[in-house]
Amino acid sequence: IAGITQAPTSQILAAGRRMTLRCTQDMRHNAMYWYRQDLGLGLRLIHYSNTAGTTGKGEVPDGYSVSRANTDDFPLTLASAVPSQTSVYFCASSDSGTGNGYTFGSGTRLTVV
Amino acid sequence: GQNIDQPTEMTATEGAIVQINCTYQTSGFNGLFWYQQHAGEAPTFLSYNVLDGLEEKGRFSSFLSRSKGYSYPLLKELQMKDSASYLCAVLDSNYQLIWGAGTKLIIKP
Repeated sequence: IAGITQAPTSQILAAGRRMTLRCTQDMRHNAMYWYRQDLGLGLRLIHYSNTAGTTGKGEVPDGYSVSRANTDDFPLTLASAVPSQTSVYFCASSDSGTGNGYTFGSGTRLTVV
Repeated sequence: GQNIDQPTEMTATEGAIVQINCTYQTSGFNGLFWYQQHAGEAPTFLSYNVLDGLEEKGRFSSFLSRSKGYSYPLLKELQMKDSASYLCAVLDSNYQLIWGAGTKLIIKP
């Protein structure tokens, strides 16, 4: 089934630990995105990639890094987790520049303690 | 700056009609999206408007006025399963989506 797969579904992480959230899509979309969603704040863009080999910073990039080695994968890394990074993380993809919208993964619920 | 405003919460009755307003101020405009998000789930695509007017799709319609920076989805014959958050998002001049905080719609019997 075509779509986006995120892993893990949820995670409890000790502060200061390193963590990589995985995201894979099989729709051959050129653009991919990482969002965090916090109550009352809506979706906020962390990082994005318009095409394989390129990445860009979104609204809230600090403390996060991404890479886009190929079209399908777009991992998000927290180098040293802090409690303020407790959130639900969504990966999304799109054919950039079209009105087809974004397809979202099912999300990763991360708790940093 | 870029700004998208929508009400935080609305309540409606099963079987009724509800309109959820969204106003926006963005750098450029390449279309407006509405997404539905049930609690604990990912957002799912509902509609895309780039031209002024009303687009109808079954129980769901979406309206856009570019001159007024205004959009709304219209949900008819409300069902309990329509209880969800409705997210307004504008595609700006860089083809990046700018998101509103979402409107939580509560349907009562």
